[in-house]
Parts: sequence; C-alpha cells; structure tokens
Amino acid sequence: DGGITQSPKYLFRKEGQNVTLSCEQNLNHDAMYWYRQDPGQGLRLIYYSQIVNDFQKGDIAEGYSVSREKKESFPLTVTSAQKNPTAFYLCASKRAGDYEQYFGPGTRLTVT
Amino acid sequence: QKEVEQNSGPLSVPEGAIASLNCTYSDRGSQSFFWYRQYSGKSPELIMSIYSNGDKEDGRFTAQLNKASQYVSLLIRDSQPSDSATYLCAPGSARQLTFGSGTQLTVLP
Repeated sequence: DGGITQSPKYLFRKEGQNVTLSCEQNLNHDAMYWYRQDPGQGLRLIYYSQIVNDFQKGDIAEGYSVSREKKESFPLTVTSAQKNPTAFYLCASKRAGDYEQYFGPGTRLTVT
Repeated sequence: QKEVEQNSGPLSVPEGAIASLNCTYSDRGSQSFFWYRQYSGKSPELIMSIYSNGDKEDGRFTAQLNKASQYVSLLIRDSQPSDSATYLCAPGSARQLTFGSGTQLTVLP
C-alpha cells in the first residue's frame, strides 16, 4: 500500500529531553512538510523540504530540527529548546510541481 | 504575514440541509485553494481543490472561488451526520499552503 506513515501514534516525554518523530512515504513524492496543530487551531508550518539534502524553515521553526537524507524520510526532532512541545504533529508530502499535499496519520506528543 | 480567516463556528445544520463554509485570505499571490476535512483526533483529508474563479462541483461538494474578493467557500448539499467534522481552508502555492483555524460542522440527525 502506498502512503505516509508516522510513528509512533502517541509519544510521551519528560521536559528537557529531545525527541524524534518519524515520517516515511512510499509515494515517490519530492516535497515533505511538518506541521504542528494545537487544540482548536489550524496547522502551522514548522519545516519543509523540496528535495533531498535541502530544507527550509517554516513559520515556527524555533526549537525544532529536521534532516532529509533520503527522499522517503523526513524526521523531525523536537529539542528541549521548544518551550511548548505538547501538540499534534502532522507530516505531509506532495509531488514536485503539484499543489495538493497529503497527510500522514499524525503523532500526538505529550511532554510533562 | 499571510492570514486565512474562517468562520469558527460551531456550525450546526439539520440532516439534508446545505452547509455553507466560508474563508477569506490575505495573500493575493495564492494560486491554489483547498478544503480539507478533519475528523476529531484524525489527520486532515483533502476533499476539494479549486484553482480558477467560479464553481467546482464534486458530488455533494461545491467549491466557489472569487480571487478579486479573496474569498473561497465550500457548500455541502444534502448534509449527512458523517459530514460532522472540522473543515480547514488552505490557500497557497506549489511551495507551501497556509491553513485557517477551521470551521467545526455538526450535522444533526
């Protein structure tokens, strides 16, 4: 089956710890995106990558880091510098030149 | 700062009625316009896309775009309880989209 996978579905961490969220796609999409969603709010762009080994900051990149070593994978690290990391994290991807983005199932991160 | 405004709702309609969802956007350079449906606790699902002024129909859904007014809407005809969800408006470009905060729709049986 083709699609976007995010793991784990739920993640719990203690304050001060870095945590890495996984995003993998087998759709042969070129671009990948990370969004954050807080309760009752829309999606805010954290980072995006149009091609391998290149990525750009979105609107709320502070406290986050990414890598894009493979076309299929775009992991997001939430660092201890992120002040309010508890949120629903969504990964999306799309083909180059297309406009439509498609989402993975998301990871719900809780930091206490 | 690109802004996308949606009527936050919640919007309640009876089963079988027409639900009307509205969205205005600030970026005049937006080239593509999407509506995503998000069920509670789930990720957004793309349900409609529109690129040029006018109407686009797909089943019970109709998207309307007016670039001069920077306005896009979604009509859901014959609303069903399964349409109860939050609907996100997302204008943008091939590089990135900007999402509104969503309109929560409840269809009452």
